[in-house]
Amino acid sequence: ETGVTQTPRHLVMGMTNKKSLKCEQHLGHNAMYWYKQSAKKPLELMFVYSLEERVENNSVPSRFSPECPNSSHLFLHLHTLQPEDSALYLCASSQEVGTGSDTQYFGPGTRLTVL
Amino acid sequence: GQNIDQPTEMTATEGAIVQINCTYQTSGFNGLFWYQQHAGEAPTFLSYNVLDGLEEKGRFSSFLSRSKGYSYLLLKELQMKDSASYLCAVMDSNYQLIWGAGTKLIIKP
Repeated sequence: ETGVTQTPRHLVMGMTNKKSLKCEQHLGHNAMYWYKQSAKKPLELMFVYSLEERVENNSVPSRFSPECPNSSHLFLHLHTLQPEDSALYLCASSQEVGTGSDTQYFGPGTRLTVL
Repeated sequence: GQNIDQPTEMTATEGAIVQINCTYQTSGFNGLFWYQQHAGEAPTFLSYNVLDGLEEKGRFSSFLSRSKGYSYLLLKELQMKDSASYLCAVMDSNYQLIWGAGTKLIIKP
């Protein structure tokens, strides 16, 4: 595997379900990100981890819970979601937070549908 | 507030040239990125500008004017595979990326 991988690619869940999204980066980076992408809207940054510590949490509802067990893996735990949470969830990684040229590399995303 | 503006959709002809504009108003500036995103795929990095001027990379070039809060992505010799969304993003003073909503580029034969 190369780059950034995400599983599952598609997920359909009911509002009472609990599920988790997984992201893995094979680039040796120190920072990882979760974004939400809705149609015709800008990418919304949800969480940022640097060396497994959360450095950013942009007012995300508590029904989204991130976990970063090591610098290569990132999870997004989902519970009691709402239909408006249906979107493409993108994971990204970068070398390190806090430098201007720090380029983020994205995974293919998980297309989430909440019924 | 912080804002990135880019056209929602553009159409161009195969073999032609197209320019996608991006204007921004952000708290601080630490560089501007362009990404390409094909439908159902990951955004992929195209270019990074932090100084004024034109950066050329093959068929793609990116221009920046910091005083005007303006950038453009220039695509030459358009190919059908260039049909995609093009995302403009600015890194602000907190080193956070502020994203535009993307420009969907449709290439016609």
